[in-house]
Amino acid sequence: QSVLTQPPSVSGAPGQRVTISCTGSSSNIGAGYDVNWYQQLPATPPKLLIYDNNNRPSGVPDRFSGSKSGTSASLAITGLQAEDEADYYCQSHDTLSAVVFGGGTKLTVL
Amino acid sequence: EVQLLESGGGLVQPGGSLRLSCAASGFTFSNYVVRWVRQAPGKGLEWVSSISDSGSATYYSDSVKGRFTISRDNSKNTVYLQMNSLRAEDAAVYYCAKDYGIDWALDHWGRGTLVIVSS
Repeated sequence: QSVLTQPPSVSGAPGQRVTISCTGSSSNIGAGYDVNWYQQLPATPPKLLIYDNNNRPSGVPDRFSGSKSGTSASLAITGLQAEDEADYYCQSHDTLSAVVFGGGTKLTVL
Repeated sequence: EVQLLESGGGLVQPGGSLRLSCAASGFTFSNYVVRWVRQAPGKGLEWVSSISDSGSATYYSDSVKGRFTISRDNSKNTVYLQMNSLRAEDAAVYYCAKDYGIDWALDHWGRGTLVIVSS
């Protein structure tokens, strides 16, 4: 059972917008800790997609954006492309457990 | 170019030990926290352990505390994870990752090393 809760799967057609939620608690996101997001393509290590809630590392397309409110955060992907099909993980800090991850969300591009 | 290369994985019996290594290059190694994250087959990511830039501070998840030890040698740009009393549930791909320096984000990851715990 992951400390941060994500939907197991989401899907969308090419060109559409999808969002992935990440729900935490008062000991992590709700305590003011920021959220990071990772993309993991099959058989590859995770790649940092969003840091500090809504910032993109160099090279990440602006189709990816993040937000945070209260005890939750969201990743939005606009203009969905076939190569976006991957697993997505949120991550934060927890006063009880140090680094914590969500269970992951599998994105399927229809 | 930042690179992290894990090694030391393999097949070990329950109760056995392994030492993983993470060799880093392409950045000033002694300035950054390094973390180990594992991923069991078909499962999600799980943080295992972290070590501060100097090596003076170490942190562990509850699931490995007392069994795993993280260390680093800044002269060799290498982080180690000594894993003792291994259990079946420790089987996973173990990644080392460099801390971004912002909000515990991990900006570079190695390709991982597979640990199999089986008799």
